[in-house]
Amino acid sequence: DSGVTQTPKHLITATGQRVTLRCSPRSGDLSVYWYQQSLDQGLQFLIQYYNGEERAKGNILERFSAQQFPDLHSELNLSSLELGDSALYFCASSVGWTSESYNEQFFGPGTRLTVL
Amino acid sequence: GQNIDQPTEMTATEGAIVQINCTYQTSGFNGLFWYQQHAGEAPTFLSYNVLDGLEEKGRFSSFLSRSKGYSYLLLKELQMKDSASYLCRDKLSFGAGTTVTVRA
Repeated sequence: DSGVTQTPKHLITATGQRVTLRCSPRSGDLSVYWYQQSLDQGLQFLIQYYNGEERAKGNILERFSAQQFPDLHSELNLSSLELGDSALYFCASSVGWTSESYNEQFFGPGTRLTVL
Repeated sequence: GQNIDQPTEMTATEGAIVQINCTYQTSGFNGLFWYQQHAGEAPTFLSYNVLDGLEEKGRFSSFLSRSKGYSYLLLKELQMKDSASYLCRDKLSFGAGTTVTVRA
């Protein structure tokens, strides 16, 4: 158990809908990262927050948005869902942010999103 | 992942050794991470290298050459449970992963 929690574990929805994925980082970690992993694909970095502020942005679609709250939990919002958005969405957390020399990321169990 | 290359698949026999290579092209290097990921599960941390040389952790070792932008993960005494995807990471970019299949 990494200490990172994600809810829900599974989510099934229809095209055009909007969903919210939630992540709670490990105690003491200030950074939260979101990744998308489609079937047989590598981990694609979406976005990072550090202590409530957006720190880095990857290949995140405009239909997707995220935020980190004062209690450090984070939510990833996916809207106007398409079939291609079906994937595993992982959240990870770390103590610091990427410019530091050691920044191990601890991953949550993921949310499996299925868009029908 | 951007600028990170690793082989797609490797197959080896139980008890053997397998070496997974990873090349990266990035500025502001802050170390290279290796993760193991079983299908449908979260990646788990294996090793971290920031200085040149070999880091050994039991059956798993990782090597780094900063001048060559090159790292490898060495898996020794392979077990069936080592069948998984192995990912290298530099900052926020992951390689596409190398699927290792261990055969009896």
